Amino acid sequence: GAGVSQTPSNKVTEKGKYVELRCDPISGHTALYWYRQSLGQGPEFLIYFQGTGAADDSGLPNDRFFAVRPEGSVSTLKIQRTERGDSAVYLCASSETGNSPLHFGNGTRLTVT
Amino acid sequence: GEDVEQSLFLSVREGDSSVINCTYTDSSSTYLYWYKQEPGAGLQLLTYIFSNMDMKQDQRLTVLLNKKDKHLSLRIADTQTGDSAIYFCAETLFGFNKFYFGSGTKLNVKP
Repeated sequence: GAGVSQTPSNKVTEKGKYVELRCDPISGHTALYWYRQSLGQGPEFLIYFQGTGAADDSGLPNDRFFAVRPEGSVSTLKIQRTERGDSAVYLCASSETGNSPLHFGNGTRLTVT
Repeated sequence: GEDVEQSLFLSVREGDSSVINCTYTDSSSTYLYWYKQEPGAGLQLLTYIFSNMDMKQDQRLTVLLNKKDKHLSLRIADTQTGDSAIYFCAETLFGFNKFYFGSGTKLNVKP
């Protein structure tokens, strides 16, 4: 079946702009995660959804970052007033339940100029 | 936060075995995972082990877990050039659904 799909694959935006990154998880997976990966680093946890609700958003760096999953499937990560330091690859992953193996998408490479 | 540490680089010759090491600090780990990341791609799950196991073998991959020393290793037998990638170990903790990742080990396989 289809894996985790993320769009766009690349996004270039100017400092101060608003961006939305989309994740379409594997069908039937109830858990959805967003991670951020900077160059040369491992993925850093941002937020975890179980169904429609954010079960843990402790990794969001500040209030410019927000994510939703209104119907318990597709999720959107929203970043307001982007800064150059937000440049990274944003990875989405889903799993059947929390604590079962994560299946990652290919990520969205965000570049803030 | 929880610390998961890996050495940064490993270089081996094609056909040799590779051993990638990982240490972690939290003794309440439930599962430990190995992921592979090729350039421009997301992370691909290779294998995982429950924390009450010592060893797991899956074709060319062998995972060893030493809970006392909080040490995890991934052995790749008969390493091929296609195994060149970055390998991440990760842990989940009892009662939490976050995955904590190391910084990755870049494996270079020379022909």
